[in-house]
Amino acid sequence: AQKVTQAQTEISVVEKEDVTLDCVYETRDTTYYLFWYKQPPSGELVFLIRRNSFDEQNEISGRYSWNFQKSTSSFNFTITASQVVDSAVYFCALSRSPSGTYKYIFGTGTRLKVLA
Amino acid sequence: DGGITQSPKYLFRKEGQNVTLSCEQNLNHDAMYWYRQDPGQGLRLIYYSQIVNDFQKGDIAEGYSVSREKKESFPLTVTSAQKNPTAFYLCASKLGTNTEAFFGQGTRLTVV
Repeated sequence: AQKVTQAQTEISVVEKEDVTLDCVYETRDTTYYLFWYKQPPSGELVFLIRRNSFDEQNEISGRYSWNFQKSTSSFNFTITASQVVDSAVYFCALSRSPSGTYKYIFGTGTRLKVLA
Repeated sequence: DGGITQSPKYLFRKEGQNVTLSCEQNLNHDAMYWYRQDPGQGLRLIYYSQIVNDFQKGDIAEGYSVSREKKESFPLTVTSAQKNPTAFYLCASKLGTNTEAFFGQGTRLTVV
């Protein structure tokens, strides 16, 4: 069975603080894909990053960085020097291998509040 | 511009009525999805479709129905059997299993 767990329901930080959003996943597949999305107050989900199960390199994009560790089944997301515009709900998602179904599973999301 | 369009943005339903939410995409994506979002429960998968004329139940399909007669369209009907339909509904499409999903702006359904 597939499952994505985002244990942090809500996080509040003060602007310029660093913050890490946790994502733990479960799957029996050897090939799978992990994603992060941002949902601003408008409601539409915005894609942030995709990572496949064979690529454990960390990635940095501006103030955003992602740490993928297969040993702990985690795909954590860090925002450095947070800004008020980062306030949103963030979702982690899991997709199966190309030979599997197209089922696409999301975690429950983490609401990030960045205070000025 | 390519994208995915949901309509209407807000929808009100009386008890016992069926309502249909529209989802159209011009991205030439094979897969389409419907999710329901309730506070504190994240996105829960209702139905998904990998190709035309085929669709599968997600985790919370009871009280919902879908059709996929065209590649571009994946309407969701919320039937009277759905006991608690008030929620935010999101439609998405994907090109393949290894690609990201594109989301519509959502439909907020309220039972009055």
